[in-house]
Amino acid sequence: DIQMTQSPSSLSASVGDRVTITCRASQTITTYLNWYQQKPGQAPKLLIYSTSSLESGVPSRFSGSGSGTDFTLTISSLQPEDFATYYCQQSYSNHRTFGQGTKVEIK
Amino acid sequence: EVQLVESGGGLVQPGGSLRLSCTASGFTFNIYDMNWVRQAPGKGLDWVSYISSSGSTIYYADSVKGRFTISRDNTKNSLYLQMNSLRAEDTALYYCARTPYSGSFDPWGQGTLVTVSS
Repeated sequence: DIQMTQSPSSLSASVGDRVTITCRASQTITTYLNWYQQKPGQAPKLLIYSTSSLESGVPSRFSGSGSGTDFTLTISSLQPEDFATYYCQQSYSNHRTFGQGTKVEIK
Repeated sequence: EVQLVESGGGLVQPGGSLRLSCTASGFTFNIYDMNWVRQAPGKGLDWVSYISSSGSTIYYADSVKGRFTISRDNTKNSLYLQMNSLRAEDTALYYCARTPYSGSFDPWGQGTLVTVSS
């Protein structure tokens, strides 16, 4: 299976900060990369699909980029409601796999 | 409103069986591929199984292949997961999730908790 590795595993940031989360695939996945946000006690929510396409209703401060094996999720100006855990997921292989998650905490 | 509601979770002994259900509403169920994804307590997300809209194509994670069976009934807008030979490591919150495009998962249900313990 394709292994997905996120970095960092956790980070502390302040409201208004620019935050970048990295996701690396163990082999090329072209642009078949999706990002999710999960808040405590809630189901995950799709933020970005196909590397850079913003899901309907998701604020424009979220953006995604990359191709091949290296991808990033950027939050341009962190808001209080953005403190959560973020997961990347590859859909290149029929066996879907997720990164281990990045927890974004309040500084 | 697009909605997925899981049910059927509970406490089961190792080696036991359980059948999970997911009922869909608010969208045309029979044109969407569906999935089961699980999350062990305090852990990350773990894809379990996929079924195409017609049910003709099915995939499983290696960790459950041969023990779990995914199925769907498009006449009842329902997705199922039959889980046999359950192990302690299968303990998790099980979510059903639709695949709208690009192999993504959206929306997700609220999950149903499966606990495998003696």
